[in-house]
Amino acid sequence: GAGVSQSPSNKVTEKGKDVELRCDPISGHTALYWYRQSLGQGLEFLIYFQGNSAPDKSGLPSDRFSAERTGGSVSTLTIQRTQQEDSAVYLCASSLTGGLGEQYFGPGTRLTVT
Amino acid sequence: AQTVTQSQPEMSVQEAETVTLSCTYDTSENNYYLFWYKQPPSRQMILVIRQEAYKQQNATENRFSVNFQKAAKSFSLKISDSQLGDTAMYFCASLFNAGNMLTFGGGTRLMVKP
Repeated sequence: GAGVSQSPSNKVTEKGKDVELRCDPISGHTALYWYRQSLGQGLEFLIYFQGNSAPDKSGLPSDRFSAERTGGSVSTLTIQRTQQEDSAVYLCASSLTGGLGEQYFGPGTRLTVT
Repeated sequence: AQTVTQSQPEMSVQEAETVTLSCTYDTSENNYYLFWYKQPPSRQMILVIRQEAYKQQNATENRFSVNFQKAAKSFSLKISDSQLGDTAMYFCASLFNAGNMLTFGGGTRLMVKP
């Protein structure tokens, strides 16, 4: 079946602009995760959605970052007033059950802030 | 805090030979899973192998096997009969029962030479 998909594949934006990154998880997966991969910080967790529960936002680096998951499926990560340090690859993953269940990753969105 | 450390930023191996990638972690929990992910230039994170902490037997997947030393908190990956397609970044990661997210090591860039 189809895997996790993300769009756009690449995004170049000017400093100060807002961006939206999209993730389509594997159908039926209840858990969805966002991670960021950057040269300076490596791979770091951003946010986790599980079913209808309140998301775990403990990894969001600032209040310029927010995410939502509509209808328990598609998720959008929004970065407001982008800064150059936001340049990174943003990876989305989904899991059938969450918890200790296996996470399947999408191909990521490479964000470049100029 | 949970941490995962990969001490080898880069490694190389000749085609058909064996290579071992190192990983150590730190946790006070008893229930957790450990993973090795492969990330080729396409950016797609691919699960290579997983190990449940409660299992004493080391996991194997074809040419890939792990040496899990729970007391030493060590989790190394052995790749036998290395192939050119094994060239990629390899990330060690942990998933702890008390958390919702993967914690990644800094990665090891593996180059398989013909």
